[in-house]
Amino acid sequence: LAKTTQPISMDSYEGQEVNITCSHNNIATNDYITWYQQFPSQGPRFIIQGYKTKVTNEVASLFIPADRKSSTLSLPRVSLSDTAVYYCLVGDGVRGYQKVTFGTGTKLQVIP
Amino acid sequence: DTGVSQNPRHKITKRGQNVTFRCDPISEHNRLYWYRQTLGQGPEFLTYFQNEAQLEKSRLLSDRFSAERPKGSFSTLEIQRTEQGDSAMYLCASSLQTGGSPLHFGNGTRLTVT
Repeated sequence: LAKTTQPISMDSYEGQEVNITCSHNNIATNDYITWYQQFPSQGPRFIIQGYKTKVTNEVASLFIPADRKSSTLSLPRVSLSDTAVYYCLVGDGVRGYQKVTFGTGTKLQVIP
Repeated sequence: DTGVSQNPRHKITKRGQNVTFRCDPISEHNRLYWYRQTLGQGPEFLTYFQNEAQLEKSRLLSDRFSAERPKGSFSTLEIQRTEQGDSAMYLCASSLQTGGSPLHFGNGTRLTVT
């Protein structure tokens, strides 16, 4: 089972770039790395997913080194509305997510 | 794609009563998962279905909990004889059975047992 480790919390000022790193030392060959954002009283919302190198979409970038034992979610120019908990998840749609653990996530607080 | 839908959004019940929650997954997703989340914690896996078959249950799922997914479409999660410790957010997620298919979550049902 790929266990993930993230910082418990981070603070950032509005307009800054935020990087949240997740370690997943025992990631399996077929595992993908997925990041979710969760606001209070809502379900986790898919942000970005990658397998290796760099992935970018309209809201974030995901950097994955060659050994894939860690990944970094990059949020450019955060705003107050980015205040949320961010979860890193390692798993595979083929084998399923039944043994995937979410951990406690990283609570990002954006400061005006 | 209307996303994963869960009903009701909130449920308040008295201890000892039975409750049932419903989840409608994304239509083409053949896998469906139930999670439970308490304050300050990440979601914890409860059970999952591949089509109509319930393939795995967590040891967190006591015999008071039962889940079904008739015809491989929507799913229900029933809790019998609720206890105060059952108070939590119950989340449903779905995915395809393909590599790189992520989980897509609903907004959950918040259960409060008084």
